[in-house]
Amino acid sequence: GEDVEQSLFLSVREGDSSVINCTYTDSSSTYLYWYKQEPGAGLQLLTYIFSNMDMKQDQRLTVLLNKKDKHLSLRIADTQTGDSAIYFCAETTGGFKTIFGAGTRLFVKA
Amino acid sequence: DAGVTQSPTHLIKTRGQQVTLRCSPISGHKSVSWYQQVLGQGPQFIFQYYEKEERGRGNFPDRFSARQFPNYSSELNVNALLLGDSALYLCASSQGTASNQPQHFGDGTRLSIL
Repeated sequence: GEDVEQSLFLSVREGDSSVINCTYTDSSSTYLYWYKQEPGAGLQLLTYIFSNMDMKQDQRLTVLLNKKDKHLSLRIADTQTGDSAIYFCAETTGGFKTIFGAGTRLFVKA
Repeated sequence: DAGVTQSPTHLIKTRGQQVTLRCSPISGHKSVSWYQQVLGQGPQFIFQYYEKEERGRGNFPDRFSARQFPNYSSELNVNALLLGDSALYLCASSQGTASNQPQHFGDGTRLSIL
């Protein structure tokens, strides 16, 4: 079945690195995404990776993709209090449908 | 450039009523998708429209319908509202279909059913 799984909570200290993990199910997914959602807001596209890539780096963000294990991770370097939010992992499957995980709530302690 | 815009931002309805939500995609984007996000969960796919045609439908009842206009804006209609329809409804747009282009989301319409 279609399912994207993420851990529900992550707490880090300001300045540390955060690593949010995700597993997905559709090996034919073309794109894998990370979205950020702050309270009362919509989803902000943070970064995405093509399925033929292993890694993508964008400033403080690093995405790692392990296609064999269907595992995706998002590393946030030098985590700031403004990074506190819900982070969603998502895959595009079936040509049109984007499947989201339940979201990981990141708490950053000052 | 304007992002994806949705209206209204908030809406309160009662059970049995009907509601229409609106979405304007990013300029140049031809695809619009609709998602329902219940509190505490990730968004669930409802519909995708590309070039004014329905390209995909999620596991939602027939009370949910949508359409896309020649200017690529879209409306989501929900009939016979139930308490369980209370959610944040998100619209996303992309240049192509979701399979080959990343989607950008609006801030959503928060629908409350009393």
